Amino acid sequence: DQQVKQNSPSLSVQEGRISILNCDYTNSMFDYFLWYKKYPAEGPTFLISISSIKDKNEDGRFTVFLNKSAKHLSLHIVPSQPGDSAVYFCAASAGYNQGGKLIFGQGTELSVKP
Amino acid sequence: EAQVTQNPRYLITVTGKKLTVTCSQNMNHEYMSWYRQDPGLGLRQIYYSMNVEVTDKGDVPEGYKVSRKEKRNFPLILESPSPNQTSLYFCASSLSGWVDNNEQFFGPGTRLTVL
Repeated sequence: DQQVKQNSPSLSVQEGRISILNCDYTNSMFDYFLWYKKYPAEGPTFLISISSIKDKNEDGRFTVFLNKSAKHLSLHIVPSQPGDSAVYFCAASAGYNQGGKLIFGQGTELSVKP
Repeated sequence: EAQVTQNPRYLITVTGKKLTVTCSQNMNHEYMSWYRQDPGLGLRQIYYSMNVEVTDKGDVPEGYKVSRKEKRNFPLILESPSPNQTSLYFCASSLSGWVDNNEQFFGPGTRLTVL
């Protein structure tokens, strides 16, 4: 059973516009959420995170929003750049007692067109 | 340069032939983990290690073994590989098992094909 879901396998946006990637989760014990970015032939790299006590975290062009009541988080990229084209994974954690385990979504492939 | 390295990057083998994928990190991290990535399933944790000589099963441990004799190394062992272990494997490390503000660094991946 997929506890973290990214229902859009792909997304295409124009350079300069906003990219919005969505993620839903089912486990109410998750208390920390992360976004990772992955280029082909490379490992995932950390992008941004948010604790469950917050509803927004911003880092430059990247903002993550968390709606706990809806069990939904989203990543906004503004403005989108061609170099942002990659696969984006959201991940969730239920804390130290879960062995530091990250539960990943299936990924969304973002394509930013010039 | 701080990094997680994996070897080999690509491997094609046959059913039943034992293999080891090595993982090494140079950041003095306590926590290390193995994941596999399959289409439509994202990354799933195979095994993890909180520290030297401490390992535990993740979500999909069947058919795999690990060891943590040194802090920097965390090899993944397939004693008798089968075709359903064909996948893309990632090793990751972090300072500790606390996820908060403690990002996991991933290696470049090992693409394994079992015929």
